[in-house]
Amino acid sequence: KAGVTQTPRYLIKTRGQQVTLSCSPISGHRSVSWYQQTPGQGLQFLFEYFSETQRNKGNFPGRFSGRQFSNSRSEMNVSTLELGDSALYLCASSSGRTMNTEAFFGQGTRLTVV
Amino acid sequence: TQLLEQSPQFLSIQEGENLTVYCNSSSVFSSLQWYRQEPGEGPVLLVTVVTGGEVKKLKRLTFQFGDARKDSSLHITAAQPGDTGLYLCAGVNNDMRFGAGTRLTVKP
Repeated sequence: KAGVTQTPRYLIKTRGQQVTLSCSPISGHRSVSWYQQTPGQGLQFLFEYFSETQRNKGNFPGRFSGRQFSNSRSEMNVSTLELGDSALYLCASSSGRTMNTEAFFGQGTRLTVV
Repeated sequence: TQLLEQSPQFLSIQEGENLTVYCNSSSVFSSLQWYRQEPGEGPVLLVTVVTGGEVKKLKRLTFQFGDARKDSSLHITAAQPGDTGLYLCAGVNNDMRFGAGTRLTVKP
């Protein structure tokens, strides 16, 4: 079956702009989690959506938001971009029945803010 | 500060050597997962350990979950160049939190 698809793969934005990233989970998976990965901080949890509801949220400012659609596809939005938002953004999908179930990651979207 | 501390941060060894990577926390987890990430790819799950004191073996990889379910280790025997990558541990409770990772390089 198809894996997790993230689009776009690469993105360059200017400070102050906003950006929307997309994640299509594996068919049948209802949970989508988003992570920010940087060399200094590693993988930082942003939020998790399950059946269109935000189930968990990490410690990121309100500029970071997300949503999930009825087909389980998810988007995350970052407004008023800052240089420090440059990172690899990864999404992971799982069946979500319990948190112990395997999470399957996409290849990520590499965002560069200039 | 990271919820999970991984050590060492970087490790460069010769093919055939053994190594151990550590993942420590002051928090208790319902389970702990280990992932491996290669450049340009997302992390891929290696193993999930659930029970305190549990030991799981995956070919040349041995994973151990501490008795108190706060720490874990990954031991690789006779490392090969194909083991090169970023090894990440993730503690699971209501959500999943990652350590910063150990970047392993195995030289032929």
